[in-house]
Amino acid sequence: QKEVEQNSGPLSVPEGAIASLNCTYSDRVSQSFFWYRQYSGKSPELIMSIYSNGDKEDGRFTAQLNKASQYVSLLIRDSQPSDSATYLCAAPIKGSGYQLIWGAGTKLIIKP
Amino acid sequence: DTGVSQDPRHKITKRGQNVTFRCDPISEHNRLYWYRQTLGQGPEFLTYFQNEAQLEKSRLLSDRFSAERPKGSFSTLEIQRTEQGDSAMYLCASRGAGGSPEAFFGQGTRLTVV
Repeated sequence: QKEVEQNSGPLSVPEGAIASLNCTYSDRVSQSFFWYRQYSGKSPELIMSIYSNGDKEDGRFTAQLNKASQYVSLLIRDSQPSDSATYLCAAPIKGSGYQLIWGAGTKLIIKP
Repeated sequence: DTGVSQDPRHKITKRGQNVTFRCDPISEHNRLYWYRQTLGQGPEFLTYFQNEAQLEKSRLLSDRFSAERPKGSFSTLEIQRTEQGDSAMYLCASRGAGGSPEAFFGQGTRLTVV
């Protein structure tokens, strides 16, 4: 199993709906998780971090962490066309200096 | 602008030439990371500095790659004898001291080797 895995998509969601992005992880990563958004040709932008089991909400974004099942999710409510981007899940490798290991990203397309 | 700054934004070079990229981290951040990203993939770790000390280096990093962070401020990444496979986006990120885990990225340097 890869340390961090994501479905590459694309995931197509109608405008105004909820977009759900998922990421699974292995025992090789520390349990701090980061969701980054990356527009085409641009660098990753941190949008959410989560460290504890449960949900964390920030505006239209909710991150969910389930340590027992080893998955982390990002929900985007009231999806907007500007949310169309690739969403990357990242976590630090255990025993490293917070070296992040990344999923390949899920491409999200919001259809007007 | 107090974010992470990278220079140049784009670099086109001929195979076999040397290139050097610069990263200026957020001023109060003592930890600096270099990553490389190719199309359709997540970033791949290259190396990590805490202050001026290079504490980690990826096993994937060939000896053509070298990075420095003199005085613990800006960092440079040099690639010698570039190859077409080095074409990628080179990303720099910084992170603060005090246990804050969140890393913030610069805009990246896109390298094209022709």
